[in-house]
Amino acid sequence: DIRMTQSPSSLSASVGDRVTITCRASQSISTYLNWYQLKLGKAPKVLISGATTLQSGVPSRFSGRGSGTDFTLTISSLQSEDFATYYCQQSYSTPRTFGQGTKVEIK
Amino acid sequence: QVQLQESGPGLVKPSETLSLTCAVTGYSISSGYYWGWIRQSPGKGLEWIGSIYYGGPVDYNPSLNNRVTISLDTSRNQFSLRLTSVTAADTATYYCARLGVEWLGNYFDPWGQGALVTVSP
Repeated sequence: DIRMTQSPSSLSASVGDRVTITCRASQSISTYLNWYQLKLGKAPKVLISGATTLQSGVPSRFSGRGSGTDFTLTISSLQSEDFATYYCQQSYSTPRTFGQGTKVEIK
Repeated sequence: QVQLQESGPGLVKPSETLSLTCAVTGYSISSGYYWGWIRQSPGKGLEWIGSIYYGGPVDYNPSLNNRVTISLDTSRNQFSLRLTSVTAADTATYYCARLGVEWLGNYFDPWGQGALVTVSP
């Protein structure tokens, strides 16, 4: 199985801050990497697919980079609605695997 | 707009079978796409359970030790999850989701809101 490791596991930030979350795969996955946002009581939402493709309706302050084994999700200016938990997920091989999540909290 | 909604018992006894259904609206499941289940145990991360494609392959997470069955019901436009011999470790919020048309590079979108299932005597 491909292991996905996210860092940090949690972070505290203020509205307007620039936030970067890192995801590392245990082997190369090319750009087959997706990012999701989870909020309590709401359906999870895909933000980015294929490492860099912003999904329809997702604000442009979200961006993704990377290929091979190292990836990042950046929120350029954190908004109040962005406080949530973020997960990376590889779509290169079976079983599909997720990172352990990064909880973004209000400072 | 495609929407998914999970339903099923919220409480299952140990050693019994967990059964959930995902009703799909806005798209016919026999028209294509992979359909899948994911779960999140309390305080833990996300785990892919398995995925199915109409008329095609079904894949399961080997970590579930052959306890899982996913099936499609095209007459009702829904798909189902069965997990046998459950234990407390299977307590989780279970999500259903649609994936892409191709297996390589697909992603979960959209998701249902999730159904909490507790395994307890």
